[in-house]
Amino acid sequence: AQTVTQSQPEMSVQEAETVTLSCTYDTSENNYYLFWYKQPPSRQMILVIRQEAYKQQNATENRFSVNFQKAAKSFSLKISDSQLGDTAMYFCAFMNRNTGNQFYFGTGTSLTVIP
Amino acid sequence: ETGVTQSPTHLIKTRGQQVTLRCSSQSGHNTVSWYQQALGQGPQFIFQYYREEENGRGNFPPRFSGLQFPNYSSELNVNALELDDSALYLCASSSGGDYGYTFGSGTRLTVV
Repeated sequence: AQTVTQSQPEMSVQEAETVTLSCTYDTSENNYYLFWYKQPPSRQMILVIRQEAYKQQNATENRFSVNFQKAAKSFSLKISDSQLGDTAMYFCAFMNRNTGNQFYFGTGTSLTVIP
Repeated sequence: ETGVTQSPTHLIKTRGQQVTLRCSSQSGHNTVSWYQQALGQGPQFIFQYYREEENGRGNFPPRFSGLQFPNYSSELNVNALELDDSALYLCASSSGGDYGYTFGSGTRLTVV
């Protein structure tokens, strides 16, 4: 079974500053994807960034980057130059690439960007 | 390109009743998944359909059932509603392959 743990229920950051959200996971699989999703008050889950486990290079999408430590089973999200629109719930998620039929989500981190 | 549309957006039902939630997949997507998100929790996988066949199910009782239609739209049916079924129900569709899923905005179900 796969589990995803987010140990920071709430975080805040000043606008334009940098913040890092933590995520750890447990799996016996070798071939998988990791994701960070954002859920604003509109409730729609929006993909922020995706990492393929077989790739050593950390994924980057504009202001968003990850620190993927496969041996430690750690997958943190760094948001640079935080903007007010980044205020949302952030979920870390795992998907087995072999079956590819379900996400395993963490419990989320509520991020507030302070003006 | 249309996104994923879910209806209704909000719903209130009485314990013991039955409910049907609907999802219209993104154009070109043949795979649909349903998730239950309780308040303050991450989404939990209910099941997935691929080309009208169920191809994965999470730890939910049989009173949670689904359908996928030839146009790849989908329904989630829940019988004998319980208070704990109160949650946000999310639908996500994909064309497969690169595992890019598009989520809808969900249906907020309240069971009283």
